[in-house]
Amino acid sequence: GAVVSQHPSRVICKSGTSVKIECRSLDFQATTMFWYRQFPKKSLMLMATSNEGSKATYEQGVEKDKFLINHASLTLSTLTVTSAHPEDSSFYICSASEPLQREGNEQFFGPGTRLTVL
Amino acid sequence: LAKTTQPISMDSYEGQEVNITCSHNNIATNDYITWYQQFPSQGPRFIIQGYKTKVTNEVASLFIPADRKSSTLSLPRVSLSDTAVYYCLVGMNTGFQKLVFGTGTRLLVSP
Repeated sequence: GAVVSQHPSRVICKSGTSVKIECRSLDFQATTMFWYRQFPKKSLMLMATSNEGSKATYEQGVEKDKFLINHASLTLSTLTVTSAHPEDSSFYICSASEPLQREGNEQFFGPGTRLTVL
Repeated sequence: LAKTTQPISMDSYEGQEVNITCSHNNIATNDYITWYQQFPSQGPRFIIQGYKTKVTNEVASLFIPADRKSSTLSLPRVSLSDTAVYYCLVGMNTGFQKLVFGTGTRLLVSP
């Protein structure tokens, strides 16, 4: 199947700093990518839908000024956590789908990024 | 997006068959049923997808009754490495639709 990567895999930062997480589709072009966050022993929560060349669509309750999403190319979407605070510590996961697949709505998930804000 | 209900957790032993049932009473005509597996600190991995009746691949089978209001993921002869969280999702057959994850089922396989 298609491969999605994330970078970094884990990051530790001080409170008040901004952190950028990259999501790349390695062997296909993804016009749409999704960003999730996951707290320990909880399910994935969709944060936003990232569309190449346009503004992201955020889920209710997700602050768009806090979580900046940029989908500047067909293989890269970035999530920037601005002015991070300890409550932003979480596991962030992206996913993408291969637009040429004719059947199935399989989405390919990245390995996730563990963010710890001190 | 149809809501799904799964058992929170299940326990099994190596070599046994495990069946995880998911309820999706308000599934729509165009919705497919997809199952994902997630290990700790990893992204979910696609297991299987189906629309009706039975689907089988190299790792699992998916049973869907005629009314499609539920589905059962069957894992034959589980091993310790099958310990994971399994999510049932329902949605249209397009990779562009956002996925709404339910609670998932935490499967623990013991020796």
